[in-house]
Formats: sequence, structure tokens, C-alpha cells
Amino acid sequence: DGGITQSPKYLFRKEGQNVTLSCEQNLNHDAMYWYRQDPGQGLRLIYYSQIVNDFQKGDIAEGYSVSREKKESFPLTVTSAQKNPTAFYLCASSLRRTSGGSDEQFFGPGTRLTVL
Amino acid sequence: GNSVTQMEGPVTLSEEAFLTINCTYTATGYPSLFWYVQYPGEGLQLLLKATKADDKGSNKGFEATYRKETTSFHLEKGSVQVSDSAVYFCADKFYFGSGTKLNVKP
Repeated sequence: DGGITQSPKYLFRKEGQNVTLSCEQNLNHDAMYWYRQDPGQGLRLIYYSQIVNDFQKGDIAEGYSVSREKKESFPLTVTSAQKNPTAFYLCASSLRRTSGGSDEQFFGPGTRLTVL
Repeated sequence: GNSVTQMEGPVTLSEEAFLTINCTYTATGYPSLFWYVQYPGEGLQLLLKATKADDKGSNKGFEATYRKETTSFHLEKGSVQVSDSAVYFCADKFYFGSGTKLNVKP
């Protein structure tokens, strides 16, 4: 089945450690996105990538880094510089990078990160 | 910049009641608009979308009309079911509203 996988579902880390969240898609989508969701709030865009080896900062990129070496994969690293990293992280993808925004996003199941 | 504003919840309704969740947007041009639904502990799923002004998106009994005059994309359903209980998000590609939690009681 085609879809987006995120692993792990739950992740615990000590303060000051970097941690990498995995996101893989087999939908052959060009564009991929990372969002952060805090309790009772909407999604905020961290980074997005419209093509391999290229990515753009979203509204809250500080303290995060990404890479896009393969079309299928878009890992997110939460660095120790992120002041409040505990949150629910959602990865998404959409079909085309030149659609002008008309393509819907397909979401993974999310990773809940807790920093102790 | 772009933004999406939707009514705060939670919204509590009895089964078979009529649902409206308001959503307004600010954007340059006329972006595509989306409603997504999120069940507990899961990612979001697309519920419906509209790609241009006056378009009506519909799915599973839910409808929303893209109205450029009022910059709105309100979600409606004529008769809700308990299984509709979830959090609903209005979105403009990258920009999401804060979500509205819907509780439907039997």
C-alpha cells in the first residue's frame, strides 16, 4: 500500500540531545513537509522541500534541520538549540511542486517527541 | 502574509444536528482551500477541497463553498453522527487554522 510512514510513534530524549525523526513516502510525490502540532493548536510549518536536494524554511525553522537526499525520504533533526521541542511532529507530502497549491497533502501518523 | 482563522471549539452536538464550522482566510490571490480531519493520535486526512472561487467541495455529507467575497470556506453537514467526532482543520496549503474539536453525543 502507498503511504507515508513516520517512525517511531513515540520518542523520548534527554534535554541537550539531538534527535532525528524519520519520514518516508512511497507515493512518488515531489513535495514533502514537516509540521509541528502543540496541544489545542493548529499545525505550524517547520520546513518543506519541493524537489530533491532543495528545501525551504517554514515559519518556525529555528532549532531544526532537514535533508532531502532522496525523493522518498525527508528526515527532520530536532537540535539542542530548539528551546521547546516537546510536541507532536507530522510529516506530509503532495504530488507536484508546480501545482500552485492545489494538491492536497497526505499526512503520516505522526511522532510524539518528549524531551525530559 | 497568509493566515487561516477558524472558530474555536469544542463544539458539542447531538446526533443528527446541523453542523457549521466557520473558516476565513487572508491570502494574496485565490489559493486552494482544504478541510482536513484528525482522529485522536493520528495524522490528518483530507476531507474536502476547493481549488477556485465559487467551487463547492463535498465528501461524506460534508460541504464547503469557496466564497471570495467573504474570504470564507465554512464547513457544513446536515446531520452529524457520533463517528464524526474529531478535530477539523481549515487550511490554505501551508497555513492551518487552530482546529475545531467536534463532539457528537448519541
